[in-house]
Amino acid sequence: QKEVEQDPGPLSVPEGAIVSLNCTYSNSAFQYFMWYRQYSRKGPELLMYTYSSGNKEDGRFTAQVDKSSKYISLFIRDSQPSDSATYLCAMFNTGGFKTIFGAGTRLFVKA
Amino acid sequence: GAGVSQSPSNKVTEKGKDVELRCDPISGHTALYWYRQSLGQGLEFLIYFQGNSAPDKSGLPSDRFSAERTGGSVSTLTIQRTQQEDSAVYLCASADSGYEQYFGPGTRLTVT
Repeated sequence: QKEVEQDPGPLSVPEGAIVSLNCTYSNSAFQYFMWYRQYSRKGPELLMYTYSSGNKEDGRFTAQVDKSSKYISLFIRDSQPSDSATYLCAMFNTGGFKTIFGAGTRLFVKA
Repeated sequence: GAGVSQSPSNKVTEKGKDVELRCDPISGHTALYWYRQSLGQGLEFLIYFQGNSAPDKSGLPSDRFSAERTGGSVSTLTIQRTQQEDSAVYLCASADSGYEQYFGPGTRLTVT
């Protein structure tokens, strides 16, 4: 079993839709939960991070962490064609140094 | 300021040749990571540097892979006797705090 599971998609939605991206994980020691966005032929860039459980909102993006279920989500409201990218969840334990990445979900937002 | 840079951006090599991939991290970042990204496979951790030391090399796929970092800055990933399965995008990232990594654009390696 992988430490982090993420559906690779692709996920195709119309412009303006609400997008839900999810990951599950198995290691309860993870404390930081991140979402990276990767455009084609570019390196990933950190979109949002959450420490421990709870929600965090930044503009059209909301990250949720449910540690009891070992489940994290990223919601994108009013999705735009410019949101078309691969979204990778990632997790980090401050007791270590290694960030574990999900496989990434490819998102296409159609105009 | 300048981000993480990697060179070359693309490398095509023949099977059996050695290749060197370079990473210039953000100035002052003590942590440096190498990852490999194959199509649909996510990011595969290769090696981590804290300063010039590599506490964990367990992610390196075989003894054909090696990496070094000098002066707490530039890092080189070397692949000896390349094989076709080494074809992938090799990404470097640097970090000041562990969870926030800044990635370079990657080197796309093709072994023919």
